[in-house]
Order: sequence, then C-alpha cells, then structure tokens
Amino acid sequence: NAGVTQTPKFQVLKTGQSMTLQCAQDMNHNSMYWYRQDPGMGLRLIYYSASEGTTDKGEVPNGYNVSRLNKREFSLRLESAAPSQTSVYFCASSSTLMEKLFFGSGTQLSVL
Amino acid sequence: GQQVMQIPQYQHVQEGEDFTTYCNSSTTLSNIQWYKQRPGGHPVFLIQLVKSGEVKKQKRLTFQFGEAKKNSSLHITATQTTDVGTYFCAGLWGGSNYKLTFGKGTLLTVNP
Repeated sequence: NAGVTQTPKFQVLKTGQSMTLQCAQDMNHNSMYWYRQDPGMGLRLIYYSASEGTTDKGEVPNGYNVSRLNKREFSLRLESAAPSQTSVYFCASSSTLMEKLFFGSGTQLSVL
Repeated sequence: GQQVMQIPQYQHVQEGEDFTTYCNSSTTLSNIQWYKQRPGGHPVFLIQLVKSGEVKKQKRLTFQFGEAKKNSSLHITATQTTDVGTYFCAGLWGGSNYKLTFGKGTLLTVNP
C-alpha cells in the first residue's frame, strides 16, 4: 500500500522555468492538498481539492496552479518559478475534508 | 487570518525527562489535530481532539483539549530517543474559513 506518492523528490530550477509536481494517492480519499514547508514557518496550505472536480485556494496560492486530474491525482504547477518558491512541498490526502491528513514524502525544490 | 501559536519553538531534554508542547488559538476551534515529523521525513497524523476538555492517551503521549476549545497540549512522559522530531498542532475552525492551519511546531531533541 503506497499511500501518497509524490514525484519528483528533488528538483532544481532556474528563475522563470516552469514545472509540475505530481501527486497520487491510492487510499480512495476524496480530498487532496498541497502544502509548502519553510524553516520556522510550519506548513502552509497552497491549494486544496475537497473532492474530484473542485479546487480552492489556501493560504499562499500566488504563483501556483493546480489540477485535480481524477480522484487519485492532484498536480501542482509553477508557471514561472521564483527564488521565493524554494521550499519543501508536501502533497496530502484525507477521507474527510481537513481531517486526518496523510502526507507524501515531499519534494525539495530549489529555484536559483 | 486565523492562527495557532505553538510554544516552545525548541526543547532539548535528557532521555527519561518529560516534555510538553502547547498550542493556543484566539478563537474557538472546531477541532485540533497533532502531527509528528521526524527529521528529514514527512508529517504523520497522531490524533484529533474534538470535544471540550477531551483527554486522549497513546502510550506515553497525553493530548488535551481545553475547556474553551482554544488551547491544547501534548505531553510526553519519560522521553526516548525515538521521540525526536517536530510536533505540530493544526487547528480547524468552522464557518467560511474551513482550512486546517498548522502551528510552527516544536522541535524536540533528546540526549541519550
């Protein structure tokens, strides 16, 4: 049982480049989330999807877009990466919205 | 926006000593959740507290939710080296701002 799988695990981008972070869960969860974690800042919600077909902004959505491709997959796109987006990104999923989140192993992103 | 304040930011203990971390919200919470993140790892859900005055135990860990549902604590009795990591509380408020918001975490280190 893989749980929540994120790819890639590490990525280095140049300012202005674009990329998509992929996330998939095999627990048949309805809700999925993208968080970023910065030193001393805890985890901050970027976007979430309460259920298939819906997406909503979190606390820090600027510079990001998301797609809920189907019930299993939720991707995060950076259209034009900036150094301020250097962070560790976590995807998570849950059966009930905003409760008991299961996290993936994270993507460490550096934007130079 | 709504926040949960978590203290202390860091705690270093000798193995066998007790440890407590506290979370506080200025407004009433719908529920509070606790997560643990090992160094280099991802957050893992520990527990959810919903009821006023609720106390739950998991082996050496005791979780409490205040009577006013504005504060919570996690207490570890007789710490072990396996307890090392960052402990996060995450608050959920009802109404229109239904988003899980994490505290900044308490990093626990244990000296064997």
